Amino acid sequence: DAEITQSPRHKITETGRQVTLACHQTWNHNNMFWYRQDLGHGLRLIHYSYGVQDTNKGEVSDGYSVSRSNTEDLPLTLESAASSQTSVYFCASSEFVGSETQYFGPGTRLLVL
Amino acid sequence: AQSVTQLDSQVPVFEEAPVELRCNYSSSVSVYLFWYVQYPNQGLQLLLKYLSGSTLVKGINGFEAEFNKSQTSFHLRKPSVHISDTAEYFCAVRHYNQGGKLIFGQGTELSVKP
Repeated sequence: DAEITQSPRHKITETGRQVTLACHQTWNHNNMFWYRQDLGHGLRLIHYSYGVQDTNKGEVSDGYSVSRSNTEDLPLTLESAASSQTSVYFCASSEFVGSETQYFGPGTRLLVL
Repeated sequence: AQSVTQLDSQVPVFEEAPVELRCNYSSSVSVYLFWYVQYPNQGLQLLLKYLSGSTLVKGINGFEAEFNKSQTSFHLRKPSVHISDTAEYFCAVRHYNQGGKLIFGQGTELSVKP
């Protein structure tokens, strides 16, 4: 079955380190998204991509970057991790622009000490 | 700019009771509306969506929601809840021509007690 996976599922890192969270989908979806989930804020969009080589900033993009070299993967990089980036990170995908349903991965819980 | 407000952060109910989770949105243009559910330690799953047409939308697991344009609301309802409905519920909105970008509410934690 097609799916969307995230790795690692849990990560502990130190302030200042570079961290990369992986997202891989097997639906061949064009659109991919990264959100962070924090108590009291729901999910907030970090970055998104509408296809290979396309990336766009979301609502809370500072300190994060993404790259899209193929359809299946959208890795999220924290350039220099900060304690404020402790959160649960969700990746999602949808088939095409105008497609209404986003499919979410299981999440990565990141702790920055 | 669009925004979504979920009016209750926590809703405790007894099993087999009805429940309503409230969602209001603000937008100056047409939007699509969604409810997602998140079970503990899992990702989000689509419950239902309103795109156009009938304002009463039925979703999975017996949930339904009604779009009210004049009140800019999209409340989620279920006539009789089960223990298994215990989860966090998120209302989301997106502009009809802004690709897939979703704006989420803060979430409502539904706790169903026996």
